[in-house]
Amino acid sequence: ILNVEQSPQSLHVQEGDSTNFTCSFPSSNFYALHWYRWETAKSPEALFVMTLNGDEKKKGRISATLNTKEGYSYLYIKGSQPEDSATYLCAFLTGGSYIPTFGRGTSLIVHP
Amino acid sequence: DGGITQSPKYLFRKEGQNVTLSCEQNLNHDAMYWYRQDPGQGLRLIYYSQIVNDFQKGDIAEGYSVSREKKESFPLTVTSAQKNPTAFYLCASSIGGHSDTQYFGPGTRLTVL
Repeated sequence: ILNVEQSPQSLHVQEGDSTNFTCSFPSSNFYALHWYRWETAKSPEALFVMTLNGDEKKKGRISATLNTKEGYSYLYIKGSQPEDSATYLCAFLTGGSYIPTFGRGTSLIVHP
Repeated sequence: DGGITQSPKYLFRKEGQNVTLSCEQNLNHDAMYWYRQDPGQGLRLIYYSQIVNDFQKGDIAEGYSVSREKKESFPLTVTSAQKNPTAFYLCASSIGGHSDTQYFGPGTRLTVL
């Protein structure tokens, strides 16, 4: 079983703060990394699919970077809003596997 | 609307009973997956299916069974052999490629009394 770590486990910020968290994964045999957002009482929704070392993806105030050589991805949220409150999951795929290995998630709570 | 449905949302069963969780998708996706979530843990893969009439065990398949007779449907049976069945169960589907995004259902919370 692959080791995919997310840190921090939880995060409380004030509205307007910018924040970031980390997903660490094995640096060998990388294929893809997915980020998902999971709001309470809803289904997880995809944010980004990242496949190339150095990838940077952006959706509104949320962006992500990827470093496959050192085995980590950062997710950034600029100017957090209460509606950003959710658990953010990363999922790592190795070469040749259809199956993502999920981290435990980072729970973000944005206080008004 | 296209999407994935799971039913029921909450399910209660007595210990020793088998129970089947429903998962249906109308996205025309080839691949479907079942995950389990426990407090403080990541999503763990139970079973997956890349194509109709074929499925593979995931990391924690013991005590579970599945079928994939139709492209749209991937029911999960939690058998009495599963020692700790109380958990939140999520179904997902993807188009089928290696790096395809997964689309998730709303989940079923199973409580075994």
